[in-house]
Amino acid sequence: KNEVEQSPQNLTAQEGEFITINCSYSVGISALHWLQQHPGGGIVSLFMLSSGKKKHGRLIATINIQEKHSSLHITASHPRDSAVYICAVLTSGSRLTFGEGTQLTVNP
Amino acid sequence: DAGVTQSPTHLIKTRGQQVTLRCSPKSGHDTVSWYQQALGQGPQFIFQYYEEEERQRGNFPDRFSGHQFPNYSSELNVNALLLGDSALYLCASSSPTGAEQYFGPGTRLTVT
Repeated sequence: KNEVEQSPQNLTAQEGEFITINCSYSVGISALHWLQQHPGGGIVSLFMLSSGKKKHGRLIATINIQEKHSSLHITASHPRDSAVYICAVLTSGSRLTFGEGTQLTVNP
Repeated sequence: DAGVTQSPTHLIKTRGQQVTLRCSPKSGHDTVSWYQQALGQGPQFIFQYYEEEERQRGNFPDRFSGHQFPNYSSELNVNALLLGDSALYLCASSSPTGAEQYFGPGTRLTVT
């Protein structure tokens, strides 16, 4: 079993839909990252969380430390949101352990 | 601030050859981590350098080695390349606190 599990693996939505991607982890962490990766490979950090909730534009990320679970929400989804979304946890010594990623496709 | 830079962008090598990938961290960052991302998978931690020493290492064979220079830039070396080494190699730099990590654009290595 992977230390970081994401669901779903693939997600197709229509433009405007509300999207949720989930992440569960089984190790002790100091922080959790949500990352976005577009075709071609570049990774952009969306959020870093250690507790509670953060919002940036149409993106919202939450974390429940007790339940070892985090969610990434996208409101009013748009085709430009199509990308791979990756959950990564920061363990000892600033080492990241990644989930497998969620491929999101938003159709117009 | 140029952010994290990596070179080269793409590279094609033959089995058995050796390759060196380079990374320059974001200004003010002293820690560099390297990750391997095979197609369709999440990145896997290779190793991390801090103060010119390997601080942590993931589950990768000794064919993978690295170096950090006094200016905090880093190199990843892979010897005796295998077809399975074909992947996107990502470098990330972080500050001394280690929380925020910034990724470079990656180097796409193809081994034929």
